[in-house]
Amino acid sequence: QVQLVQSGAEVKKPGASVKVSCKASGYTFTSYGISWVRQAPGQGLEWMGWISAYNGNTNYAQKLQGRVTMTTDTSTSTAYMELRSLRSDDTAVYYCARSPPWGDSFPDYWGQGTLVTVSS
Amino acid sequence: SYELTQPPSVSVSPGQTARITCSGDALPKKYAYWYQQKSGQAPVLVIYEDSKRPSGIPERFSGSSSGTMATLTISGAQVEDEADYYCYSTDSSGNHSKVFGGGTKLTVL
Repeated sequence: QVQLVQSGAEVKKPGASVKVSCKASGYTFTSYGISWVRQAPGQGLEWMGWISAYNGNTNYAQKLQGRVTMTTDTSTSTAYMELRSLRSDDTAVYYCARSPPWGDSFPDYWGQGTLVTVSS
Repeated sequence: SYELTQPPSVSVSPGQTARITCSGDALPKKYAYWYQQKSGQAPVLVIYEDSKRPSGIPERFSGSSSGTMATLTISGAQVEDEADYYCYSTDSSGNHSKVFGGGTKLTVL
């Protein structure tokens, strides 16, 4: 069965960086992409971007361009999302999700989420 | 930037039909997708490509799209369907940006 297991909760200070991992299993990692979605406390879902696990192509949300980097390690079937210059409004649960490389790259299977808290 | 608009809340009694709408200018050309998120849990895909249902999703969940509006219909809503529902789609401007609607809280009581 498809599983996405994310790294544990993080607490960071403003201005720092965070790197969240997402280990995939139960499918051929390089046949899909990984989407990253975040959810601030009590708020809705926000699409952050997508990376192809086949060739590393990325598509980032415009508001995060320059602060976010998504990568994959095909040897371990793991995706990573790094967010830099953290601010208090980056406090959120961050989700990874498997996404087909065709059509709308919609998330189908989701990880359990990683809480990132930004606080001085 | 592209936006998808959903009503903040919908309320029905058990056994009634719940309809949740999602409006967006690009929906005539782009598919809509629907996610269910129960409190404290990760989202679950319930409808993809406007009207297709993933395996394991109950038949009472259906989707449709016409013009600039997509609709998620839950026929005979159950208490366990109480959740937040989000639509998702793609901007048609060529930048391939994705967007979620603001979410709709479905109350079944």
